[in-house]
Amino acid sequence: GENVEQHPSTLSVQEGDSAVIKCTYSDSASNYFPWYKQELGKRPQLIIDIRSNVGEKKDQRIAVTLNKTAKHFSLHITETQPEDSAVYFCAASRPRGSNYKLTFGKGTLLTVNP
Amino acid sequence: EAQVTQNPRYLITVTGKKLTVTCSQNMNHEYMSWYRQDPGLGLRQIYYSMNVEVTDKGDVPEGYKVSRKEKRNFPLILESPSPNQTSLYFCASSFPGNTEAFFGQGTRLTVV
Repeated sequence: GENVEQHPSTLSVQEGDSAVIKCTYSDSASNYFPWYKQELGKRPQLIIDIRSNVGEKKDQRIAVTLNKTAKHFSLHITETQPEDSAVYFCAASRPRGSNYKLTFGKGTLLTVNP
Repeated sequence: EAQVTQNPRYLITVTGKKLTVTCSQNMNHEYMSWYRQDPGLGLRQIYYSMNVEVTDKGDVPEGYKVSRKEKRNFPLILESPSPNQTSLYFCASSFPGNTEAFFGQGTRLTVV
């Protein structure tokens, strides 16, 4: 089955700096890579996703890059703000109808220091 | 409003006393799953369901049961809870494929 590794497990940055979280996956059939943000005491919520036919996607201060050959994808947050402090999870899944399953990484605790 | 609803939010129970955590979604999603979240271990999948009457084991199914008799409901059953099942549980639903998964509010279970 799919295995998703996520690094680092904790990340501390100063407000205004950039943060990068990296994930690798094992299943070459995976084609969908979402990122979820979980604020303290809340449920995980989707912040950005990328499909395997795209190499990069941006949404304001966040961006995700995908390298299918190397089977890794990364989340980039620029100009970090204290409200970016949360646990971030990457995930990977196969297409519908193909033993579909959503597999999560172990998460990264991001702390943005004012 | 599109949502996934779990109940109860908090539960303290004793070892061996059967319990059920309910999960309901109103988005007509085919795919539903249960996760447990423990510090340092991320979100580990317990069971998932591709559709009504179709369920399968995730990564940590031992000690849990599920059923999917209706499309909107996917209850998690602990027949004989043990202290190592103390955890934060999330239900999630989505259309299978490249779409967003929606999570319930979470259920914090303590087994003493």
